[in-house]
Amino acid sequence: DSGVTQTPKHLITATGQRVTLRCSPRSGDLSVYWYQQSLDQGLQFLIQYYNGEERAKGNILERFSAQQFPDLHSELNLSSLELGDSALYFCASSSLAGALSSGANVLTFGAGSRLTVL
Amino acid sequence: AQKVTQAQTEISVVEKEDVTLDCVYETRDTTYYLFWYKQPPSGELVFLIRRNSFDEQNEISGRYSWNFQKSTSSFNFTITASQVVDSAVYFCALSALFGNEKLTFGTGTRLTIIP
Repeated sequence: DSGVTQTPKHLITATGQRVTLRCSPRSGDLSVYWYQQSLDQGLQFLIQYYNGEERAKGNILERFSAQQFPDLHSELNLSSLELGDSALYFCASSSLAGALSSGANVLTFGAGSRLTVL
Repeated sequence: AQKVTQAQTEISVVEKEDVTLDCVYETRDTTYYLFWYKQPPSGELVFLIRRNSFDEQNEISGRYSWNFQKSTSSFNFTITASQVVDSAVYFCALSALFGNEKLTFGTGTRLTIIP
C-alpha cells in the first residue's frame, strides 16, 4: 500500500457523461499530481496542486478540471466524456522536501482509476 | 522543454540473462533529477531510484544497477540475473531539481522475462 488512495478503482460510463475521480494523498504530503495513462499517449501529466493551489498545468483538456480541498484530498472532474478519454488515471503525491533531501520530487502513486467510456 | 526517450518499446530475455534498459533525456535545466519507476502487471507505479544531476556515480542495489552519464544524457538501468518477477513496464522520468516539480516520463519499456 503506497499510502495514496484513489477511488473508484474502476468506472464504466457512457459518452457525454461526467465523472469524478478522488485522491487522498499520503499523510503529510502537500502536493498532488494527476496523470493520465493511455495506450497511445503514455503517461501524460495533467495538473499539480500544492497545498490547495494550482501549481502547474500540463496537457489537461478544458473538459477536465481539478481541485485540492483544505484537507488536501483532490478530485479530478471529467465531463462530456469521449471514447478517447478511456484511460488509467493516476494520482500521486509528494512531500514538501528541500531540494536534495531524500524525499524531494519523489512521487508516490496511487493504484489508479481505470475509466472506460462506452 | 523536457523530454525523455526510451527507444526500446519491448524487450524479452530468458530468465537469468542480464538486460539493460536505455534512457536518454533532454533538458535545458542545469540541475535536475532522473528517476526510474516500475509498473508491474498489477498496474501500480513503483518508485525505484532517483538520481540528481550532480552525482554521476553509478549505483547498485542488489540485482539492479544504474549508469548515469551526463556527457551522453543517458541514465540506463541494468538488471542482472533477471527473474520472472522483473517482468513489467519500466519508465524513466525527469524533473527539475528545485521546486517540487512534476515528472516528465518516457514512453516506457515493456520487459518480459521468459522462464
